[in-house]
Amino acid sequence: SAVISQKPSRDICQRGTSLTIQCQVDSQVTMMFWYRQQPGQSLTLIATANQGSEATYESGFVIDKFPISRPNLTFSTLTVSNMSPEDSSIYLCSVHGGQGYEQYFGPGTRLTVT
Amino acid sequence: AQSVSQHNHHVILSEAASLELGCNYSYGGTVNLFWYVQYPGQHLQLLLKYFSGDPLVKGIKGFEAEFIKSKFSFNLRKPSVQWSDTAEYFCAVKDYGQNFVFGPGTRLSVLP
Repeated sequence: SAVISQKPSRDICQRGTSLTIQCQVDSQVTMMFWYRQQPGQSLTLIATANQGSEATYESGFVIDKFPISRPNLTFSTLTVSNMSPEDSSIYLCSVHGGQGYEQYFGPGTRLTVT
Repeated sequence: AQSVSQHNHHVILSEAASLELGCNYSYGGTVNLFWYVQYPGQHLQLLLKYFSGDPLVKGIKGFEAEFIKSKFSFNLRKPSVQWSDTAEYFCAVKDYGQNFVFGPGTRLSVLP
């Protein structure tokens, strides 16, 4: 299994500011995924980040709001830009494992926007 | 598009009661099926998974799930729950070429 770490673990931010979340994996992976888990809800995929190419965003998510970097095979960042209280969520990084069949998750970043 | 539904939003049980959480998915082809658990304040953990073969799969902590293809279901069971099973449970489905799709989750509260 993959070990995934995220920074920061939580943050409280003011409206209109931006926060960059870091995700580090202990092994090289082709694809990294960013999810959002809003309070009391399930996980929603934001985007898929492949190393060396632009991220692929799901419907309802755009690069201007959630820019992603993927500089190498073990690291990615997600930025939440121009934040509003509706962006208050847990943001999770994940990777495939077990020959692509399983998915492993990081501990998440709990973001509160005031 | 693939969708996953879970029958119950919140289930409340007493310790030693039996548990069954329902999960249904919409995709008609070959799928991989998962149950994840999220204990309070902790991150998602894989509980069990089904890829192929025996439709009755056993996971950690005494949980099991049965894949019934004709019903598009993958229900989670445990014969006797413990207070420590209090958590949020998510069913997830992955079909070939697609990303994981998660159900809305079921919150389980076990009363001591």
